[in-house]
Amino acid sequence: GAVVSQHPSWVICKSGTSVKIECRSLDFQATTMFWYRQFPKQSLMLMATSNEGSKATYEQGVEKDKFLINHASLTLSTLTVTSAHPEDSSFYICSARIPGRSYEQYFGPGTRLTVT
Amino acid sequence: KQEVTQIPAALSVPEGENLVLNCSFTDSAIYNLQWFRQDPGKGLTSLLLIQSSQREQTSGRLNASLDKSSGRSTLYIAASQPGDSATYLCAVRLGVSGYSTLTFGKGTMLLVSP
Repeated sequence: GAVVSQHPSWVICKSGTSVKIECRSLDFQATTMFWYRQFPKQSLMLMATSNEGSKATYEQGVEKDKFLINHASLTLSTLTVTSAHPEDSSFYICSARIPGRSYEQYFGPGTRLTVT
Repeated sequence: KQEVTQIPAALSVPEGENLVLNCSFTDSAIYNLQWFRQDPGKGLTSLLLIQSSQREQTSGRLNASLDKSSGRSTLYIAASQPGDSATYLCAVRLGVSGYSTLTFGKGTMLLVSP
């Protein structure tokens, strides 16, 4: 099956710093990737959809200048949380779609971000 | 706006019991519905996907049903095992295209004790 990886699996950073999370499709090329955020005991909330080679589409209420998404290749998308605050602490999960198989999404293992 | 509700929020059962997890959604114009499993601190594993034209899907001890007109789906787990302990998420995809986004419920946290 299709495999999506994320790195790092967990990260702790200080307030005001930036942190980058990588999402890779290991055995397929993903023209579309999704970034979700999940707070404890809450549902996954879609933050943005990124398409390779173009700007990401952000969901309402998500600050695009704070959550920078780059999808520079068909196997890699990155999410950079800029000027992180404690309220950004959350579980971030990426997902990738296989081209031509519209409704099949494969999810990464997630990244736990803690901002102190 | 599509809303997905899962009941119960948590469930604790002894090993061997059959159980039902419920999912309801407000907009019945869905493309498909999917059940996922999430282990603590981990990503999502797809369990079953039901297209809007289907009534149910089965995989091993799992059976998912869909009543699109009433906006409901159930996930039936037969002969539960401790390894089934996880959070189960229901997600729906709206519209007529598989390219629309998934909307998730908050999940049901299941604990199966030996």
